[in-house]
Amino acid sequence: EPEVTQTPSHQVTQMGQEVILRCVPISNHLYFYWYRQILGQKVEFLVSFYNNEISEKSEIFDDQFSVERPDGSNFTLKIRSTKLEDSAMYFCASSERDSKNTIYFGEGSWLTVV
Amino acid sequence: AQSVTQLGSHVSVSEGALVLLRCNYSSSVPPYLFWYVQYPNQGLQLLLKYTTGATLVKGINGFEAEFKKSETSFHLTKPSAHMSDAAEYFCAVSYPGTALIFGKGTTLSVSS
Repeated sequence: EPEVTQTPSHQVTQMGQEVILRCVPISNHLYFYWYRQILGQKVEFLVSFYNNEISEKSEIFDDQFSVERPDGSNFTLKIRSTKLEDSAMYFCASSERDSKNTIYFGEGSWLTVV
Repeated sequence: AQSVTQLGSHVSVSEGALVLLRCNYSSSVPPYLFWYVQYPNQGLQLLLKYTTGATLVKGINGFEAEFKKSETSFHLTKPSAHMSDAAEYFCAVSYPGTALIFGKGTTLSVSS
């Protein structure tokens, strides 16, 4: 069964550093998403991406964050100048169409900022 | 803005007992409704979803949920719990053109 893959599975970075989290969505999917889950808290929406542009973003997704689809297969989340509170599990997801179609999640990238 | 509430952050049942995890949404327009499960150190896996049609939805691993518009609810049930059902369960909602919004999650513990 096709799946969303994410790398790295775990990354430790120093405060202030830039981090890039990578995702390979399911190949025929057109919508891509990033979510995050701070330890012990709920899964929060960050951003959705369609047709090479951001279609929706939350208040969390400020100028510190950016997303990119650098080629036909990868979808990346860049976090600039990381802060301690950016420590979380970041989930990439994809779907064939928005909302009604099932959103498939990757296994997550656990980011620890020290 | 739409929201979803999961009543009970932690539910404990005995093996073989009924599982009931509660989810309510706040909206005058019925959303699309989903239940996801997260096993330890794993990602989110779709259990079941309701978009249109039959209000009783069956999912994987013997779970089912019923959409009740009058109660704005989408509670998740399983007749007989198994040890392997222990996990975090998330209810989520979305509307056409909007992102999936999650509830805070319910941890299900199953004891022998």
